Amino acid sequence: ETGVTQTPRHLVMGMTNKKSLKCEQHLGHNAMYWYKQSAKKPLELMFVYNFKEQTENNSVPSRFSPECPNSSHLFLHLHTLQPEDSALYLCASSQDWNGGATNEKLFFGSGTQLSVL
Amino acid sequence: DQQVKQNSPSLSVQEGRISILNCDYTNSMFDYFLWYKKYPAEGPTFLISISSIKDKNEDGRFTVFLNKSAKHLSLHIVPSQPGDSAVYFCAASEYGNKLVFGAGTILRVKS
Repeated sequence: ETGVTQTPRHLVMGMTNKKSLKCEQHLGHNAMYWYKQSAKKPLELMFVYNFKEQTENNSVPSRFSPECPNSSHLFLHLHTLQPEDSALYLCASSQDWNGGATNEKLFFGSGTQLSVL
Repeated sequence: DQQVKQNSPSLSVQEGRISILNCDYTNSMFDYFLWYKKYPAEGPTFLISISSIKDKNEDGRFTVFLNKSAKHLSLHIVPSQPGDSAVYFCAASEYGNKLVFGAGTILRVKS
């Protein structure tokens, strides 16, 4: 496989469930990102990891918990979510993180469409 | 308040004609701009970019124009093809800071 792979593609969960989203990149990149896209809204950056270290937490509620065991894998652990958390969650990677994606193209996965009931 | 705005939620164009997608920004410190394209059930893919030292960048059928004084950029697609139908996101960054995305414009190219 090449590129950025996300699983699952779709997820429906209740507010009391615990689930995890998985992302894997096969591009040899050093930086990985979680973005949230709600309907008709801009992509919102949630977390950034550079060389496995979290470098950005964009005021995300603690019910979202990221984990980056190595430069190729990124997880987003979900617990006690709210219906307003229903959205498309996109993982992305880039060669490096220079405090931003300036001059750094992001490579996105296909996303996980999350529905919280 | 959104720093990057795509005021047209959707655009419909006839095949072979020009598609013009617009983007406005408020932060005068932005110095790098990108366009991403997104098909349904896929993630966004990078399309074209432009640095603030330029006012035009061209790549095949795609040209991005930057008007710094107006804080406006546009993406021109000529000629438009049905396969260009997608959501187009404008994004901007200030060096050392994260990318800021617009909400996207849905382009439909009719054959």
